[in-house]
Amino acid sequence: GNSVTQMEGPVTLSEEAFLTINCTYTATGYPSLFWYVQYPGEGLQLLLKATKADDKGSNKGFEATYRKETTSFHLEKGSVQVSDSAVYFCALTGSQGGKLIFGQGTELSVKP
Amino acid sequence: DAGVIQSPRHEVTEMGQEVTLRCKPISGHNSLFWYRQTMMRGLELLIYFNNNVPIDDSGMPEDRFSAKMPNASFSTLKIQPSEPRDSAVYFCASTGTAPSYGYTFGSGTRLTVV
Repeated sequence: GNSVTQMEGPVTLSEEAFLTINCTYTATGYPSLFWYVQYPGEGLQLLLKATKADDKGSNKGFEATYRKETTSFHLEKGSVQVSDSAVYFCALTGSQGGKLIFGQGTELSVKP
Repeated sequence: DAGVIQSPRHEVTEMGQEVTLRCKPISGHNSLFWYRQTMMRGLELLIYFNNNVPIDDSGMPEDRFSAKMPNASFSTLKIQPSEPRDSAVYFCASTGTAPSYGYTFGSGTRLTVV
């Protein structure tokens, strides 16, 4: 079945550092890929998405590129801020839609 | 749009009591999902509905859990009887006919069973 694997956290960075959170997936066909962010005490918010191979999703300085050849959707940001501290979830839906399958989440802590 | 609305935000109940969580999806969305989040197990899909019909309830932990969607604007998740291991944050999410646009999540209900 479909699945998502994320790098384990927590990840601790200094402000203005470069961020990469790895995400790989297993799916048949052409899934849609997402990154969600969860700030402390809140629900999940859609951060960015990509629906076909080589698409790049971007939002708030974060980017991720849908790489079908490596089945990856790594999240990157060039310069993190303290306000980026949150848990980040990689997720996919199958090519026919349906349920959203999440990775285990990666906690990011950014220190001033 | 007010987004996906869940109630209550917090619920503390005693073991053995019935608990009902409520969700109002975004108007026009035709799919609704119930997730549970715990530190140990992360985000688990419990059940999802499409056009008010349950499609996949394989994630419902046991018979103590039940979910209904009587109409397009309302869903409930009921736990009867509740147990301490049910303590978690329960999220509701909805999406439209193009799931590739992503899901919108509610703020969640934090359930504590003592």
